[in-house]
Amino acid sequence: GNSVTQMEGPVTLSEEAFLTINCTYTATGYPSLFWYVQYPGEGLQLLLKATKADDKGSNKGFEATYRKETTSFHLEKGSVQVSDSAVYFCALMRNSGNTPLVFGKGTRLSVIA
Amino acid sequence: GAGVSQSPSNKVTEKGKDVELRCDPISGHTALYWYRQSLGQGLEFLIYFQGNSAPDKSGLPSDRFSAERTGGSVSTLTIQRTQQEDSAVYLCASSLGGHANEKLFFGSGTQLSVL
Repeated sequence: GNSVTQMEGPVTLSEEAFLTINCTYTATGYPSLFWYVQYPGEGLQLLLKATKADDKGSNKGFEATYRKETTSFHLEKGSVQVSDSAVYFCALMRNSGNTPLVFGKGTRLSVIA
Repeated sequence: GAGVSQSPSNKVTEKGKDVELRCDPISGHTALYWYRQSLGQGLEFLIYFQGNSAPDKSGLPSDRFSAERTGGSVSTLTIQRTQQEDSAVYLCASSLGGHANEKLFFGSGTQLSVL
């Protein structure tokens, strides 16, 4: 079946540190890949996405590249800010047919000044 | 409406009671999803509605859980004979057409506490 595995948190970083949150997936066919973010007290919202191999999604200084050969979609940011503190979810959706979005368990990031 | 609306925002119930959770998707969105967010468990898919197609119920954890979507719009998730392990945040999301690269819009969720 389809599944997403992401690194367990929590992750605590100092401001301006480099961030990597690992995400790997298992899927039949070639899914679309997503990162969603949940800021404290807010609902889930899309951060970035990639729909085919070698695509790079980017938003708010975050990037993730769809790597088919390693079935990965790691989230990176060069310099984190306190405002990036949130829970980050990696997710996939199959491209064939109407299927639900499958999420990883989430990684909590805390950035301290 | 402007966004996905869920009600109630908080629900406290006693073990064994039935509860109904409501979701109003964004107007015009044909796809509607229910997820459950438990501490340490991440986001667990429950059920998915797409247009007039039969819903994908593959994520419902037991036959105590059911959901319906009337008129292709509002959805109600019903949990019968609630148990303490049902305590979680229940999230609803909608998307325009249910296609693979579409963005999902999430509601703020219903926090369910079963005592």
